[in-house]
Amino acid sequence: KQEVTQIPAALSVPEGENLVLNCSFTDSAIYNLQWFRQDPGKGLTSLLLIQSSQREQTSGRLNASLDKSSGRSTLYIAASQPGDSATYLCASKRLAGGTSYGKLTFGQGTILTVHP
Amino acid sequence: NAGVMQNPRHLVRRRGQEARLRCSPMKGHSHVYWYRQLPEEGLKFMVYLQKENIIDESGMPKERFSAEFPKEGPSILRIQQVVRGDSAAYFCASSPRDPGPGTEAFFGQGTRLTVV
Repeated sequence: KQEVTQIPAALSVPEGENLVLNCSFTDSAIYNLQWFRQDPGKGLTSLLLIQSSQREQTSGRLNASLDKSSGRSTLYIAASQPGDSATYLCASKRLAGGTSYGKLTFGQGTILTVHP
Repeated sequence: NAGVMQNPRHLVRRRGQEARLRCSPMKGHSHVYWYRQLPEEGLKFMVYLQKENIIDESGMPKERFSAEFPKEGPSILRIQQVVRGDSAAYFCASSPRDPGPGTEAFFGQGTRLTVV
């Protein structure tokens, strides 16, 4: 059974700092790993998706890496801004008999606060 | 192209009543997934449906919960005889097919169910 863990549970940083959010998963037989952002009372916004054959993906100030062998992914946020304050979730899509089935296993999330 | 649409956004039910949550997938998407987010917990997979078929319901409680995705119309998550423990945010996601490794999951804004 896949388990996904995110560290730290909460993070508070001053504006402008570069920061790293960590995600670990127990089963390396993943199809892909996806990072999401969730604002309070809102839905999930997809940030980055890394396929199992890829090592990293970049979008603007965000960079996500994937190391399947160690069961880890990191989300790097450069030059953080107050608008980045949200809960960040990682989720893995696990291979199951060669078919992904599409369901995601989520971590508990990291609550990020960027203060001015 | 509208995103994944869920309604209602907020739903209040008294104990013992029925709750019906609706999800219209993105245009062209034929796969729907339901997740539940309990207070202070991460998102947990409930059920995966294709048109007129339940593919995987391993995360859905055996009693009181049911889901359908008819040939026409939205997917429905139905909770009978609701109890206070059913209070949660219910999210729907859709994808265009049995997703390949590069296919993202797109989420709706969620339905927040409160049982009083």
